[in-house]
Amino acid sequence: EPEVTQTPSHQVTQMGQEVILRCVPISNHLYFYWYRQILGQKVEFLVSFYNNEISEKSEIFDDQFSVERPDGSNFTLKIRSTKLEDSAMYFCASRADSGNTIYFGEGSWLTVV
Amino acid sequence: QKEVEQDPGPLSVPEGAIVSLNCTYSNSAFQYFMWYRQYSRKGPELLMYTYSSGNKEDGRFTAQVDKSSKYISLFIRDSQPSDSATYLCAMSGMGAGGTSYGKLTFGQGTILTVHP
Repeated sequence: EPEVTQTPSHQVTQMGQEVILRCVPISNHLYFYWYRQILGQKVEFLVSFYNNEISEKSEIFDDQFSVERPDGSNFTLKIRSTKLEDSAMYFCASRADSGNTIYFGEGSWLTVV
Repeated sequence: QKEVEQDPGPLSVPEGAIVSLNCTYSNSAFQYFMWYRQYSRKGPELLMYTYSSGNKEDGRFTAQVDKSSKYISLFIRDSQPSDSATYLCAMSGMGAGGTSYGKLTFGQGTILTVHP
């Protein structure tokens, strides 16, 4: 069964460092998303991406966050200057053009120290 | 009022029991309703989705949506220890072309343990 893959599975970084989280969405999907889940809290929407541009972003997705689809298969989330409160599980997700279901990856666990 | 409310539990049941999981919501624009299962430190796995009001059955799982009450449920029949996980409800409005809008709003998740 096709799946969304994410790397790294776990990353520890110093506060203030830049982090790039990588995702390979399901191959025929056209809508891409990043969500995050702080430990013990709800899964929260960060950003949606379609046709090479951001279609919507949440209040959490401020100027220190950016997304990119650098080639035909990868979708990345960059955090420019990490803060302690950025520690969370980050999930990439994708959806087909005509589909209603959003498929999530296994997540990248980010720990900022 | 929170957009989506879900009792976090934890809920502990014996194997074979019928489990009822519920969410309430306040946003009338929600049209698509999903249930995800999440194992510890893993990504949400879609179990079922329902459009608008009504019931949907898939094996041991039944999803119900009552839009008039803004209330959704997931029933698990003949629960198994392998069903032990966190169950997340999620909702979205309608996007272009009548498909679900990709921005999902999640509930807190209910931790379920099915003991042998």
